[in-house]
Amino acid sequence: KAGVTQTPRYLIKTRGQQVTLSCSPISGHRSVSWYQQTPGQGLQFLFEYFSETQRNKGNFPGRFSGRQFSNSRSEMNVSTLELGDSALYLCASSLGSSGTYEQYFGPGTRLTVT
Amino acid sequence: AQSVSQHNHHVILSEAASLELGCNYSYGGTVNLFWYVQYPGQHLQLLLKYFSGDPLVKGIKGFEAEFIKSKFSFNLRKPSVQWSDTAEYFCAVKGDRGSTLGRLYFGRGTQLTVWP
Repeated sequence: KAGVTQTPRYLIKTRGQQVTLSCSPISGHRSVSWYQQTPGQGLQFLFEYFSETQRNKGNFPGRFSGRQFSNSRSEMNVSTLELGDSALYLCASSLGSSGTYEQYFGPGTRLTVT
Repeated sequence: AQSVSQHNHHVILSEAASLELGCNYSYGGTVNLFWYVQYPGQHLQLLLKYFSGDPLVKGIKGFEAEFIKSKFSFNLRKPSVQWSDTAEYFCAVKGDRGSTLGRLYFGRGTQLTVWP
């Protein structure tokens, strides 16, 4: 089975621009979660989608948004980029949302904001 | 509020030494516990997990972890480390309801360096 894939792998943007990141989950997985990883804050939860519905959201400003499509693929969007948005953005897929479903991570998208 | 603490930020060991990485959590409901590993240049991989039952769980590559409910701990152990174990290790907690659905709470990670 193919793993979680994320595109693009690397991205350089300028302050004020917007960006869209894409995630394709493992086949059959209906839950997709997004995390931001930085040296200063570690791994922080952004949001989770299950069957096209956002089920949970972390403590990030409204500039961070996402969606999930009927084939479970997910995108996250960051508008009006700030320097502090530079991070590794990780997508994880899972069969379901509850605690006993393990999450499988993709390689991440490295976003650099200049 | 849910939180996970990893006591050691950086651990340096020689090959064949024993390893124990500490993890404590704060969570008010049924808890599911995980250890993930991130090797240099690679993505996060699941090392082992605990949902219920035997509190001593075994994972891949000879790792094991013990859940001690009274201490809110889930420490990771390996009797004899190898150079290839050099990586960053993350402890994580996942809940079963409400605001915890689909969400892993991660510790800050422990960087393990093993010298050959």
